[in-house]
Amino acid sequence: ETGVTQSPTHLIKTRGQQVTLRCSSQSGHNTVSWYQQALGQGPQFIFQYYREEENGRGNFPPRFSGLQFPNYSSELNVNALELDDSALYLCALRGQGLSNEQFFGPGTRLTVL
Amino acid sequence: SQQGEEDPQALSIQEGENATMNCSYKTSINNLQWYRQNSGRGLVHLILIRSNEREKHSGRLRVTLDTSKKSSSLLITASRAADTASYFCATDKGSARQLTFGSGTQLTVLP
Repeated sequence: ETGVTQSPTHLIKTRGQQVTLRCSSQSGHNTVSWYQQALGQGPQFIFQYYREEENGRGNFPPRFSGLQFPNYSSELNVNALELDDSALYLCALRGQGLSNEQFFGPGTRLTVL
Repeated sequence: SQQGEEDPQALSIQEGENATMNCSYKTSINNLQWYRQNSGRGLVHLILIRSNEREKHSGRLRVTLDTSKKSSSLLITASRAADTASYFCATDKGSARQLTFGSGTQLTVLP
């Protein structure tokens, strides 16, 4: 158990809708990243937040946005959902110190119909 | 885009045998990590090897890194049925130090 929780576990939406996914941990981690994992693929980096500011972004359009709160919980928002957005969405918290070990949550399975 | 590529894509072995997975990457890295994922759940960190290290051990895991060939290998010794999972290598680069994952190796250990 990594102590990282994500909600909801599963979600079904239709094209054009908006979705908010959530991530939290029992201990404070000031760096949170979000990844998208399509079926049969490795996770793809969406963006990263450090102290409530986005400080890195992968090749994802602006309709993917995020927030990090003072208590270090985080949200991933996706607008105008497309069928290809169907995937497992993972948040990851960076370990302390210089190591870049990441602690992943169990993920949210999003299905877009 | 995927930075790393794991090889093989799928591997099936008998319990007690050793399993070797390989990973190749394209650009210079800070470090390389291996993660395990059980059937569509979250990833679990296994081991990290820094760019100035050549070999690292953790329990039944042995990781090697060859920066001249831009490749790494993960060896799991005396495999168990519970080792059945997908294994991903991930490289660490960029100012945000985001992880770039390969497409993974699906390991099946038969009892």
